[in-house]
Order: sequence, then C-alpha cells, then structure tokens
Amino acid sequence: EAQVTQNPRYLITVTGKKLTVTCSQNMNHEYMSWYRQDPGLGLRQIYYSMNVEVTDKGDVPEGYKVSRKEKRNFPLILESPSPNQTSLYFCASRPQASSNQPQHFGDGTRLSIL
Amino acid sequence: QQQVKQSPQSLIVQKGGISIINCAYENTAFDYFPWYQQFPGKGPALLIAIRPDVSEKKEGRFTISFNKSAKQFSLHIMDSQPGDSATYFCAASWPTGFQKLVFGTGTRLLVSP
Repeated sequence: EAQVTQNPRYLITVTGKKLTVTCSQNMNHEYMSWYRQDPGLGLRQIYYSMNVEVTDKGDVPEGYKVSRKEKRNFPLILESPSPNQTSLYFCASRPQASSNQPQHFGDGTRLSIL
Repeated sequence: QQQVKQSPQSLIVQKGGISIINCAYENTAFDYFPWYQQFPGKGPALLIAIRPDVSEKKEGRFTISFNKSAKQFSLHIMDSQPGDSATYFCAASWPTGFQKLVFGTGTRLLVSP
C-alpha cells in the first residue's frame, strides 16, 4: 500500500529536549516536505526536499532541521524544542518537485512541548 | 501574510443542502488550485483541482468554480452528507523552480443528519 508513515503519532516532551519525528514514504517520490498545522493558520511549510541531499527552507523554518540522506526518509529534527512548536505536524511527498501531482500526506504527529 | 484567504472558518449545513467554501488570492502566477479534504486523525487528501484556463470542474457532488478576473475560487458540495463532515483546505501553487504549494486556513464543515 502506497503510504507516508510518520512516527511517533503523539509526543509530549519538555522544553529543550531534542526530538526527531521520522517520515518514510514507499512510493519512490523525489519531493518531500514538512508542514505544521495550527488553528486559524492552516498548513504552513517548514522545510522541503527536491531530492536526496537537496533540502531548503519553507515558510516557517526557524527552530527546525531536516536531512535527506535516502530517498524514502525525511526526518524532522527539533534540536531545542520550545512551547511555540506545539503543533500538529504533517509529512508529505509527491513524485517530482516540478509537478502538480497530488501530495500524499502522512497521518500527522501531534507534538506538545511543555 | 496569507497568500490564499479562505472563508468561512466553520460551516454547518443540513443533510441534502449545498456547502459552499470560498477562497481568494492575489498572486496571478498561481497556475493550479487544488482542494484538500481532511478527516480527524488523518492527513489531508486531494479532493479536486482546477487550472485557471477553465471556469468550472465537477467530480460527482463536488464542483470547483473559478473566477480568474476576480481572483476567486470556490468549492460547492451538492447534496451534502454527514460523511462529508471534515476540514477543507483550498490551496494554490505556482512555479518557482519547483511547484510551491500554499494552503488556505481551512474550513471545518459539519453536515447535520
């Protein structure tokens, strides 16, 4: 089954404790991205990757890091989480960066930073 | 600054009624306008999409109406059903070296039985 898998689905942690949210897709997609969803703000892009070893900032990158060492994986790293990063996070992928093909989203990771 | 403005924030419609969600944009470089549907606990999924060279696209009970001169587009859900209760996001994309996709703020639709 074609899917984007995020882990964990839920996490409660404390300020400053480094965490990683993993994302994996099994569709051989080149383009992957991370979004955060907040009430009244919709989905905002954090980082994106056009292919392996090619990543760039989205609209709200502060406080986040990413890496793309393999095509299928695109982890989101919070080196020193803060309460304003409490949010619902989604990883997404699509076949190519230059296409308008549908983005496939994971089921989300709800992060609470205390 | 929100590049795609979506309204209303929430909507309650009776079963069988028509649900209408509106979006407006300013960037004339946008060349693709999708709508995504999101159920609780799930990620958004593409529902229907339109390009600016057509004024309307229909897929089953879902229709996008597009007004290029007004820079507005809307989603119409005919014969709304309780199973349509979800959050809907309009979006727009444009080529900037890659197709960058931006989303509206979302509309929570509740269809009452």
